Amino acid sequence: QSVLTQPPSVSAAPGQRVTISCSGNSSNIGNNYVSWYQQLPGTAPKLLIYDNSKRPSGIPDRFSGSKSGTSATLGITGLQTGDEADYYCGAWDTTQNSHVVFGGGTKVTVL
Amino acid sequence: QVHLVQSGAEVKKPGASVKVSCKASGYTFTTFDINWVRQAPGQGLEWLGWMNAYSGNAGYAQKFQGRVTMTRDTSITTAYLQLSSLRSEDTAIYFCTRSRRFDYWGQGTLVTVSS
Repeated sequence: QSVLTQPPSVSAAPGQRVTISCSGNSSNIGNNYVSWYQQLPGTAPKLLIYDNSKRPSGIPDRFSGSKSGTSATLGITGLQTGDEADYYCGAWDTTQNSHVVFGGGTKVTVL
Repeated sequence: QVHLVQSGAEVKKPGASVKVSCKASGYTFTTFDINWVRQAPGQGLEWLGWMNAYSGNAGYAQKFQGRVTMTRDTSITTAYLQLSSLRSEDTAIYFCTRSRRFDYWGQGTLVTVSS
């Protein structure tokens, strides 16, 4: 059971938009930055979004992040077949000793 | 160009220990923390802990307290994860990742625990 809650799967046709939600609480998302990671099959995760909404160099602006209260959202526009992957949200949690919590992951399927 | 290159796959028996290495290059090693994350087969990501590459100070997830040790050798810009008293549930891919943002990741090391 993951601390952060994500939908197991989302799907859409090429060119469409999908959003992935990530729900937490005041100890993690509510008071800390959220990051998003993309994991293509058989590869290591890759940082997509950090500090809630910032994109590292090289990440296209089709990917966006936002946060409101204790929830965060990843958006992907202009969906491509290469976007088929698992997506994870993560955040530091300041309950007792600081530690990192992740969502259970969301599988994006391009129909 | 930042690279984190991890050691190869390991097969261990229950009760044994494993030590995974993570060789960093392309940046000043002591400037960023190293975190370790694992992924059991078909499962999500699980954080094990972090280490300050400059001081060597480390913080571990409560679940692994007493079984995990994170160290580094700054002379060879390499971080290490040691996990002891292995059990079958520790079978997973172990990743090192740089900084509090997890901005660069190693390729992963498969650790299989089996009798």
